[in-house]
Amino acid sequence: DADVTQTPRNRITKTGKRIMLECSQTKGHDRMYWYRQDPGLGLRLIYYSFDVKDINKGEISDGYSVSRQAQAKFSLSLESAIPNQTALYFCATSENRDYNEQFFGPGTRLTVL
Amino acid sequence: GQNIDQPTEMTATEGAIVQINCTYQTSGFNGLFWYQQHAGEAPTFLSYNVLDGLEEKGRFSSFLSRSKGYSYLLLKELQMKDSASYLCAVSDSNYQLIWGAGTKLIIKP
Repeated sequence: DADVTQTPRNRITKTGKRIMLECSQTKGHDRMYWYRQDPGLGLRLIYYSFDVKDINKGEISDGYSVSRQAQAKFSLSLESAIPNQTALYFCATSENRDYNEQFFGPGTRLTVL
Repeated sequence: GQNIDQPTEMTATEGAIVQINCTYQTSGFNGLFWYQQHAGEAPTFLSYNVLDGLEEKGRFSSFLSRSKGYSYLLLKELQMKDSASYLCAVSDSNYQLIWGAGTKLIIKP
């Protein structure tokens, strides 16, 4: 089945550490997204990419960076993790612009101590 | 600014019907999505409305009124497995999804 996968699924780290979250997809979609979810706040967009050469900041990009290594891979980095980056992180993909149904990976639960 | 409003939490009884409302104010409108999300899991697609009216899909239906900036998700014959959060999302003028905070639905036997 065409799918969206994320690694790791869970990560506990310390303040100041560099962390990379990885997302891969076999759906053949050009568009990829990184969200974080906090209780009561819903999904907030961190970065998005419409193709390998197109990277855009979302609502809450400060403290994060991304890399689109290939159509199928989109990585999120926390250069120096801080406790308020503790959250559930989701990667998502979509096929085209006009019908923007998004398909989500299983999520990465990140805890920064 | 852009805003999606939905109730934080609702409680319903197994076998009953529940309606979850969503109101939105966005810069443009290119469709409205409903997603289901079980605790700790990924959101999964339920329905899409771009024209006014009701879309029915089994036990779930979704309604849209663009003039009122309003949608609802109707769940019939509630089952315990329907206990989840339900997310409303609007595709704005840039085709970006703007997400509501979600409605946590608790089903009681």
